[in-house]
Amino acid sequence: DAKTTQPNSMESNEEEPVHLPCNHSTISGTDYIHWYRQLPSQGPEYVIHGLTSNVNNRMASLAIAEDRKSSTLILHRATLRDAAVYYCILRAFQGAQKLVFGQGTRLTINP
Amino acid sequence: NAGVTQTPKFRVLKTGQSMTLLCAQDMNHEYMYWYRQDPGMGLRLIHYSVGEGTTAKGEVPDGYNVSRLKKQNFLLGLESAAPSQTSVYFCASNRLAGGADTQYFGPGTRLTVL
Repeated sequence: DAKTTQPNSMESNEEEPVHLPCNHSTISGTDYIHWYRQLPSQGPEYVIHGLTSNVNNRMASLAIAEDRKSSTLILHRATLRDAAVYYCILRAFQGAQKLVFGQGTRLTINP
Repeated sequence: NAGVTQTPKFRVLKTGQSMTLLCAQDMNHEYMYWYRQDPGMGLRLIHYSVGEGTTAKGEVPDGYNVSRLKKQNFLLGLESAAPSQTSVYFCASNRLAGGADTQYFGPGTRLTVL
């Protein structure tokens, strides 16, 4: 499974944008880039995913580099509820779809 | 829709005892997974299933067994619990093969082995 690299922690202020980076230099051409987050004492929850193009949904935006070796999760206006560990995960096009979690980025939001 | 549910939420075992964790999903998903999460770490895959009656080993399968007799249920068994199995256990499921599908997680079972 291709590996991802994320900063261990980041800090931001409430109501400001947050950019969470992820490097995946060994990504294959058919790997999807997924982001999940884990709120305290909860199971992970899906945030967003993409293949080549930038993606937007109600939770966040995903910006994917042209060479696909990196991506950035963007929270447009962080709230206290966005404090969580964010995981960037590559998922193969085929196969059993198991997720391989790294240590993720612990995001702290200051009021 | 309850989504993915796990039973029990908490459990304390003594070394050598056995137990079964139950995962249930009501979304008619084919794929189901058991992960464990140790403090400060990401989740690690224990076993998974690609359909009713099938199971396969994940990254850390030793000391665990699983069964998928019904499509909606995935059971994780510990035959002889050890303190190293103290962890939070998460079950997950997804509908399709292919990298675009979303995986849904349960709330977790916190297990302590004394």
